Amino acid sequence: DQQVKQNSPSLSVQEGRISILNCDYTNSMFDYFLWYKKYPAEGPTFLISISSIKDKNEDGRFTVFLNKSAKHLSLHIVPSQPGDSAVYFCAASDSGNTPLVFGKGTRLSVIA
Amino acid sequence: GAGVSQSPSNKVTEKGKDVELRCDPISGHTALYWYRQSLGQGLEFLIYFQGNSAPDKSGLPSDRFSAERTGGSVSTLTIQRTQQEDSAVYLCASSLVLLAGVNEQFFGPGTRLTVL
Repeated sequence: DQQVKQNSPSLSVQEGRISILNCDYTNSMFDYFLWYKKYPAEGPTFLISISSIKDKNEDGRFTVFLNKSAKHLSLHIVPSQPGDSAVYFCAASDSGNTPLVFGKGTRLSVIA
Repeated sequence: GAGVSQSPSNKVTEKGKDVELRCDPISGHTALYWYRQSLGQGLEFLIYFQGNSAPDKSGLPSDRFSAERTGGSVSTLTIQRTQQEDSAVYLCASSLVLLAGVNEQFFGPGTRLTVL
């Protein structure tokens, strides 16, 4: 039973355009949502997070939107850059200090 | 170093052998997590240590898996009698323990385990 789902295994976007990565979850107890970015042969690195009391969090080119009623969140990257090419994981937890539940990831390719 | 380190980076072993994977968390981080990523899958939680509390072992897939954390710092994940389905990248993460808000978990580079 997958509690966090990233239904698109891959996404290709042209440089300068917007990248939108989607994530759905099933557990209504999740209160915190995080996005991690992973390059090959490296561990995931934290990108941005959002708590359930918000519906938007922005950090530079990265914005995460949360729709609690739909149990859906998305990561927007604009403008996309070739260095953004990586695997992006959506993760969730029901409190700030518990293990994260991860999706399977979406591989983003930004084409110059 | 400033980040989470793991050793070895790669481990190839024969089915039935025991392996030990090591994690050095960021100094001062009281929470330590082990995850694994099998081919084509997301990260799967294995075990969680927080301070002096009993570890949360709810993610360990079988009793062949165990982990310890000595002195609240270094952790070792042990897999006994390895099987081919244990082949995966094993990732360690550490974090501060916050009273409120989300904890950012910092990941090491992982150990790629291959069981022949």
